[in-house]
Amino acid sequence: DIQMTQSPSSLSASVGDRITITCRASQGISNFLAWYQQKPGKVPKLLIYATSTLQSGVPSRFSGSGSGTDYSLTISGLQPEDVATYYCQKYNSAPGTFGPGTKVDIK
Amino acid sequence: QVQLVQSASELKRPGASVTVSCKASGYTFASHGLNWVRQAPGQGLEWMGWISTKTGNPTYAQAFTGRFVFSLDTSVSTAYLQISSLKAEDTAVYFCARDRSALFSFYMDVWGEGTPVTVSS
Repeated sequence: DIQMTQSPSSLSASVGDRITITCRASQGISNFLAWYQQKPGKVPKLLIYATSTLQSGVPSRFSGSGSGTDYSLTISGLQPEDVATYYCQKYNSAPGTFGPGTKVDIK
Repeated sequence: QVQLVQSASELKRPGASVTVSCKASGYTFASHGLNWVRQAPGQGLEWMGWISTKTGNPTYAQAFTGRFVFSLDTSVSTAYLQISSLKAEDTAVYFCARDRSALFSFYMDVWGEGTPVTVSS
């Protein structure tokens, strides 16, 4: 099975900062990559699918990019409501493995 | 509106069985598969598998073969997760999540609220 890794595992940044989370697959996944946000105590929420397509209603400060094995999620202008854990998920084929998550908080 | 409503929290003894339900509404049930995702306390998301609501065919992640069964009752737009021979390490929140696709496991665009299952003697 393809393994997913994320870095960093956690980060702390200031309001307004631009942050980037990376996700790496052990094999190419042909852009079949989604990102989810899970706020503390809440249900996960789909942010981005197909590497870079924003789910309806998601603020434009979120963006995704990548190809092959390497992908990234960028938040341009971190807001207090962005405090959450972010997970990538590959879905080119089963299993739909999640990355281990990146915890983001405000400095 | 589109929603998935899950059954209430469960407290079970080791060795018992539990069934978690996930009732869909607001969309055509057969148009989207259903995924099951586990989250152990303080841990990340773990994809358990997926069931096609078109064919009823389940796919299980390797760690979830044997004691875990996905099923459907299409007459009431409901999916079920049954776990048998419960162990303490099954203690987790179990989410159902709507798949974007009916035929393949893709990404998950609508999530249930989660069902906490606690296994303790």
